[in-house]
Amino acid sequence: GAVVSQHPSWVICKSGTSVKIECRSLDFQATTMFWYRQFPKQSLMLMATSNEGSKATYEQGVEKDKFLINHASLTLSTLTVTSAHPEDSSFYICSAERTAYTDTQYFGPGTRLTVL
Amino acid sequence: AQSVTQLGSHVSVSEGALVLLRCNYSSSVPPYLFWYVQYPNQGLQLLLKYTTGATLVKGINGFEAEFKKSETSFHLTKPSAHMSDAAEYFCAVSDQETSGSRLTFGEGTQLTVNP
Repeated sequence: GAVVSQHPSWVICKSGTSVKIECRSLDFQATTMFWYRQFPKQSLMLMATSNEGSKATYEQGVEKDKFLINHASLTLSTLTVTSAHPEDSSFYICSAERTAYTDTQYFGPGTRLTVL
Repeated sequence: AQSVTQLGSHVSVSEGALVLLRCNYSSSVPPYLFWYVQYPNQGLQLLLKYTTGATLVKGINGFEAEFKKSETSFHLTKPSAHMSDAAEYFCAVSDQETSGSRLTFGEGTQLTVNP
């Protein structure tokens, strides 16, 4: 149980285009999901906390208009990287916590974004 | 505010040897502590967690960790390393009372297992 999926697993796009990444909790409901960014050989950096039915809470220094987050259902959150540039290339990982069991995050497999 | 320090960005052991990955934390309230493992180009998998109760917690793949409040530590151990244990390991802390499951991660420790 507690499986989280991400789609796509990798994506290559041209500079200036937008890319949407989906995060799904497959066998549980998740009121809260989290989006992380990870650079090579580094730890995870929390970008934002996504709450179902409300606006996401962004960490300091993360551009809200650049990284659009939508959490429209209890099993799906999306991250859209708008007008992507090469410096946005990274590994993006989402996680989810079970509704009513909020002590643990379960992580997705990650999405590798490469912007040319 | 919380913080996590993982001592040693790289640890190398021989197959069959003891694995010890160190983690120290800082938290103003009783912490919840986690160890996650990450294989190349994959997400994080939960190894074990401490929330309350017994301070020695057992996880998957033969790993265990002991919460020592006096030392503010949560070191990860495994008696006998296997080649498949080679991965990146992250220690993390959350403060349930003030920020729910929001995690603060350590910088990670790369474990290499030599044949």
